[in-house]
Amino acid sequence: LAKTTQPISMDSYEGQEVNITCSHNNIATNDYITWYQQFPSQGPRFIIQGYKTKVTNEVASLFIPADRKSSTLSLPRVSLSDTAVYYCLVAPTGRDDKIIFGKGTRLHILP
Amino acid sequence: GAVVSQHPSWVICKSGTSVKIECRSLDFQATTMFWYRQFPKQSLMLMATSNEGSKATYEQGVEKDKFLINHASLTLSTLTVTSAHPEDSSFYICSARPPGGLYNEQFFGPGTRLTVL
Repeated sequence: LAKTTQPISMDSYEGQEVNITCSHNNIATNDYITWYQQFPSQGPRFIIQGYKTKVTNEVASLFIPADRKSSTLSLPRVSLSDTAVYYCLVAPTGRDDKIIFGKGTRLHILP
Repeated sequence: GAVVSQHPSWVICKSGTSVKIECRSLDFQATTMFWYRQFPKQSLMLMATSNEGSKATYEQGVEKDKFLINHASLTLSTLTVTSAHPEDSSFYICSARPPGGLYNEQFFGPGTRLTVL
C-alpha cells in the first residue's frame, strides 16, 4: 500500500474553506485515493474517493493533480462540527478490502 | 447508506474476565468484516479480518488466542477479548463493505469502549 503523509494537525475558523493535503509519492496506477472523517468516540465515516482530477459531493471536494502524487481534500465553509480527524488512504481496488489507516490530520475549527 | 452496529457501546469489566463485542451489518450481508482497535489520540489499528464460515486472519502482532473472532453468519461477527487486562482497555471498532459498493468504502460501527479494571 502506498505510504501517505498528511499534516498532523490544522486549525481554522468557522466559515473558512479548509484544504488538507496528502502526499503519496509512490501511488500505483491502480490505486484510488479515499478520505475518511472520524469524530471523537465514533467510527470513521467515508467522505470521498477519487482517481484523478476533481471529485465533488455534498460534503467535500477532492482535487488530484495529473501526476497523482498528492491530493487535497477541500471542505467548504467549515463549522465547529467539522472538528474531527481526517484520514487519507491510497489503495488499489479489487483486492481484499483491508484498510490500513495512517496517522490522519486532526482538524480543529475555532469559533 | 449501509449501517453497521456494535453492541455494547461501552463495557467495564474486571481483570481476568472475558468480554464479547458484537458487530452487525443491519441492511446488507457481509462475508468479510474487519476489527480495529484505537487508543486515545492514536489512529485505528487493524487487528483482524473476520471471514464468514472460516477462520479469521490476524494482523502481525495480534494474539489470536487473546482476541477470538467468530463470524457465524453473514450479518454478525463477534470479538471476544479473553482474560482481559487493563492494557486491553481501548476503543474497538468494526467495519464492513456492502456487496457492490465502492472498494475502499467501508462502513464502520459506532465503536465499543472497553475499560478493564
